Amino acid sequence: DTAVSQTPKYLVTQMGNDKSIKCEQNLGHDTMYWYKQDSKKFLKIMFSYNNKELIINETVPNRFSPKSPDKAHLNLHINSLELGDSAVYFCASSQRLAPIENEQFFGPGTRLTVL
Amino acid sequence: AQSVTQLGSHVSVSEGALVLLRCNYSSSVPPYLFWYVQYPNQGLQLLLKYTTGATLVKGINGFEAEFKKSETSFHLTKPSAHMSDAAEYFCAVRARGGNTGKLIFGQGTTLQVKP
Repeated sequence: DTAVSQTPKYLVTQMGNDKSIKCEQNLGHDTMYWYKQDSKKFLKIMFSYNNKELIINETVPNRFSPKSPDKAHLNLHINSLELGDSAVYFCASSQRLAPIENEQFFGPGTRLTVL
Repeated sequence: AQSVTQLGSHVSVSEGALVLLRCNYSSSVPPYLFWYVQYPNQGLQLLLKYTTGATLVKGINGFEAEFKKSETSFHLTKPSAHMSDAAEYFCAVRARGGNTGKLIFGQGTTLQVKP
């Protein structure tokens, strides 16, 4: 009964390929996020969706395209992969309807290595 | 713009010693404040958070943090370190109000616990 799950856990691919990472949450949350953690462990938000609507779109190359088919899923598709895309990508979810900030629950991460 | 600074990218303590991880934020209005822990090859787990009310907040695993507005700080402490506390610790802020839930993270502090 994993709360936030990501697949795959590891992804090794060649430059120029297109790949997707999937995220699912079973917490009933209405908001989901993608974060990138670089080699120095710095975490930065990339995207956020609330009820399938994009609400955060940080300065991210348009090779990255999030897709939210429903509230429980937020996938990340990456076109034309580059060496600099190598990182750990974390999905997270939270419930925004409460008046006070609710905890973001994080998935286990997907380690992407671009060769 | 908000920012978070964690002083010391690496902290080493002996088992049983006091743990002190420093976090300072920059924000025109005191934000919501969080500490997350990341164990090796895992996602982030919330340790504690400050939203309103009592400035000393207690979290899981014996950790606590104190919000000091005058010092714009939210340092994390634990009276006695255990070997199992060895992990990466992230301080994060989120703006009050707004509607995006965007978390801004510090650069992280690696806690090493020596026997």
